[in-house]
Amino acid sequence: AQSVTQLGSHVSVSEGALVLLRCNYSSSVPPYLFWYVQYPNQGLQLLLKYTSAATLVKGINGFEAEFKKSETSFHLTKPSAHMSDAAEYFCAVSGYGGSQGNLIFGKGTKLSVKP
Amino acid sequence: EAEVAQSPRYKITEKSQAVAFWCDPISGHATLYWYRQILGQGPELLVQFQDESVVDDSQLPKDRFSAERLKGVDSTLKIQPAELGDSAMYLCASTLGSHEQFFGPGTRLTVL
Repeated sequence: AQSVTQLGSHVSVSEGALVLLRCNYSSSVPPYLFWYVQYPNQGLQLLLKYTSAATLVKGINGFEAEFKKSETSFHLTKPSAHMSDAAEYFCAVSGYGGSQGNLIFGKGTKLSVKP
Repeated sequence: EAEVAQSPRYKITEKSQAVAFWCDPISGHATLYWYRQILGQGPELLVQFQDESVVDDSQLPKDRFSAERLKGVDSTLKIQPAELGDSAMYLCASTLGSHEQFFGPGTRLTVL
């Protein structure tokens, strides 16, 4: 069985500050891990994904995440927040093959950016 | 740029009425998913299609929900009758099989 826990339903940072959104996963098979962003009343856009290659993954809009197997974590970071980063962020896990390839999402973290 | 299309974007209905949502995946994507996202939660899978076949509908409330993808291209999700608890965002996604799912803009359903 797979699951995702996102610590903090709401994170607030100042513009220019470091963004850190936490994600821990549980998986009985080698996981694929994803971060998606969702703006109000819109669908989900893929930020980045880990698929067993490099453990440090770079994504769009300056975001990156590091896969740490020993900590079962896949935290999302960005060195300097921009106002346009304000959105909801979802971490997701999947296995591979058949229904194990289905995405299991966390409950999301809403990021607010203060000017 | 190819996108997943969904319609309508917004739907308001009264409880006990029937509603239907439509999804057109990215051309060539064999796998199509319907998700339900309750406000403040992450998306939850309702049904997965591979071409025209259902792969996983274990979380679909089959007493009131139905989904079809007759020709293996576009898909329709229906709710009959709608209940107050069905108010949510309904998201469609598609993939070529690379694990990267591409999401449509969603249909926001409000049941009064």
